[in-house]
Amino acid sequence: QVQLVESGGGVVQPGGSLRLSCAASGFTFSSYGMHWVRQAPGKGLEWVAFIRYDGSNKYYADSVKGRFTISRDNSKNTLYLQMNSLRAEDTAVYYCAKDRALYCSSTSCPIDYWGQGTLVTVSS
Amino acid sequence: DIQMTQSPSSLSASVGDRVTITCRASQGISNYLAWFQQKPGKAPKSLIYAASSLQSGVPSKFSGSGSGTDFTLTISSLQPEDFATYYCQQYNSYPSFGQGTRLEIK
Repeated sequence: QVQLVESGGGVVQPGGSLRLSCAASGFTFSSYGMHWVRQAPGKGLEWVAFIRYDGSNKYYADSVKGRFTISRDNSKNTLYLQMNSLRAEDTAVYYCAKDRALYCSSTSCPIDYWGQGTLVTVSS
Repeated sequence: DIQMTQSPSSLSASVGDRVTITCRASQGISNYLAWFQQKPGKAPKSLIYAASSLQSGVPSKFSGSGSGTDFTLTISSLQPEDFATYYCQQYNSYPSFGQGTRLEIK
């Protein structure tokens, strides 16, 4: 069965950096695009970033562009989110999520599975 | 950017009721619309994609419809496990979510 397990969350000071990981299993990771979606405490869902199945295309929300970098290692079945210049408003649970369709090259494919999330708190 | 607006923001219903949640896009998105269910402290769960297609394993009590800018999620015969927050999401362009609809027990 599909499993997505995030890790790497924690408390970081404003301006600091953090790298999140998402370990995937139960499917052919290298064939599917992957997303990061976040949820601030008590708030709704916000899409953060997408990476194509082969890592060649990446897309970002305006709120994180230039500060966050999505990447993947298909040999390790792992998705990453490098977060730099963190701000208080980046405080959220970060979820990784899998595309439903094989070989989707853009953000225009639906999500089918979600990880359990990892909490990032940006505070001094 | 495409804005997604859900209505109502909250809804009270009884076990056995049938409820409908509406989602409106700020511009046409064809059928690039998904619905998710989220329970407190849990990850979202995918219910519907392409406006009306059920994700694998999702019971047929959930149904979606619409195209263009106006969409609905209908849940028939509510059971205690259905009380949750529901989100729509467009994926026609960079994805965006509605603000959520909290479905509570009356």
